[in-house]
Amino acid sequence: GAVVSQHPSRVICKSGTSVKIECRSLDFQATTMFWYRQFPKKSLMLMATSNEGSKATYEQGVEKDKFLINHASLTLSTLTVTSAHPEDSSFYICSARDSSGGVAGELFFGEGSRLTVL
Amino acid sequence: SQKIEQNSEALNIQEGKTATLTCNYTNYSPAYLQWYRQDPGRGPVFLLLIRENEKEKRKERLKVTFDTTLKQSLFHITASQPADSATYLCALSGAGNMLTFGGGTRLMVKP
Repeated sequence: GAVVSQHPSRVICKSGTSVKIECRSLDFQATTMFWYRQFPKKSLMLMATSNEGSKATYEQGVEKDKFLINHASLTLSTLTVTSAHPEDSSFYICSARDSSGGVAGELFFGEGSRLTVL
Repeated sequence: SQKIEQNSEALNIQEGKTATLTCNYTNYSPAYLQWYRQDPGRGPVFLLLIRENEKEKRKERLKVTFDTTLKQSLFHITASQPADSATYLCALSGAGNMLTFGGGTRLMVKP
């Protein structure tokens, strides 16, 4: 089946630094990728929709200058948490649909990235 | 306001029994609904999709029902095994085919 690779799986950084998380679709093309945030024992919260070749669409309440998204190719989207603070510590997960799979297709999720900001 | 409700309390059952998880929603008219499995510290994995015009869908030991009148989906695992222990998420389609996830229900199958 389709695979979405997310890297790094864990990252610890100091407050004030920026962290980049990569999301790659390994065997399919994804014109759209999604970035979620998940707190312990809570649901997935959609942060933004990443569109290949254009600007990301952010959900209400998500700071676009804080969470920079770049979707430079049909197989790669990146999320950069800028000037990270302890409250940004969370589990970040990306997902993608196979562009050839139709609109009701399943989402393929990455393994997630655990960010800890000290 | 829109809500997707899954039982936040863990469901504990004995191995071999049927597990039934519930997903209720309000103020949605989803064209389809999906169920995912999530293990601790991992990304969700797709299990089943059911469309609004389908009453029931089966896949091996899994069965999903979709009642658009009751605004409810039931997810069943028959002959449950300890390896089925995980959190199960329902997700509803919305505008632009965006998926919105419920909070998930943790299933614990005891040997």
